[in-house]
Amino acid sequence: AQSVTQLGSHVSVSEGALVLLRCNYSSSVPPYLFWYVQYPNQGLQLLLKYTTGATLVKGINGFEAEFKKSETSFHLTKPSAHMSDAAEYFCAVSDWISGNKLVFGAGTILRVKS
Amino acid sequence: NAGVTQTPKFQVLKTGQSMTLQCAQDMNHEYMSWYRQDPGMGLRLIHYSVGAGITDQGEVPNGYNVSRSTTEDFPLRLLSAAPSQTSVYFCASSYGSAGGIEDEKLFFGSGTQLSVL
Repeated sequence: AQSVTQLGSHVSVSEGALVLLRCNYSSSVPPYLFWYVQYPNQGLQLLLKYTTGATLVKGINGFEAEFKKSETSFHLTKPSAHMSDAAEYFCAVSDWISGNKLVFGAGTILRVKS
Repeated sequence: NAGVTQTPKFQVLKTGQSMTLQCAQDMNHEYMSWYRQDPGMGLRLIHYSVGAGITDQGEVPNGYNVSRSTTEDFPLRLLSAAPSQTSVYFCASSYGSAGGIEDEKLFFGSGTQLSVL
């Protein structure tokens, strides 16, 4: 069975600092990996995803993530945090076998301090 | 373009009551799904559908029923509400799957906050 572990339920950074949100996955076949963001009182929006090909994936709002098979990781980064990045971030996994079932991590709340 | 519309936004039920959470999309998406979101647990898949007349169970289907009579609508029914079903419910849709195909992603509704007393 697939699973996702997000390290750190809360992360706090200063405005302008590096954002690093950690995600490790478990999958018996090559995974599809996703990062979604949820702003307060809203549904989720896709930031970026990896299916095949280039392991460094660029998404919206300056975020990127790198698929590292050897480390079973898909960490999300942004070079410089902005106040508007404050939200909850979810890592998720599926694969070509269970492509209709997306498994989410528990989420990481990002706080950006001025 | 309305996207994915969920109604109601808030609902309070008593234990044992039944109700239906509505979800409609106007994007001609084949894939629709229901998730529940609980603190510290992320989102968990309840049921999903890959087209009209086709539904399947997700990770936490017990206590919930679904049907898909049209492409646009995917209602979630609680047959006999229990306090353990207090949660925020999200409906999501996409063209064909949960996002494994290039250029495909899930579109989420704004959620229904349900409290069962």
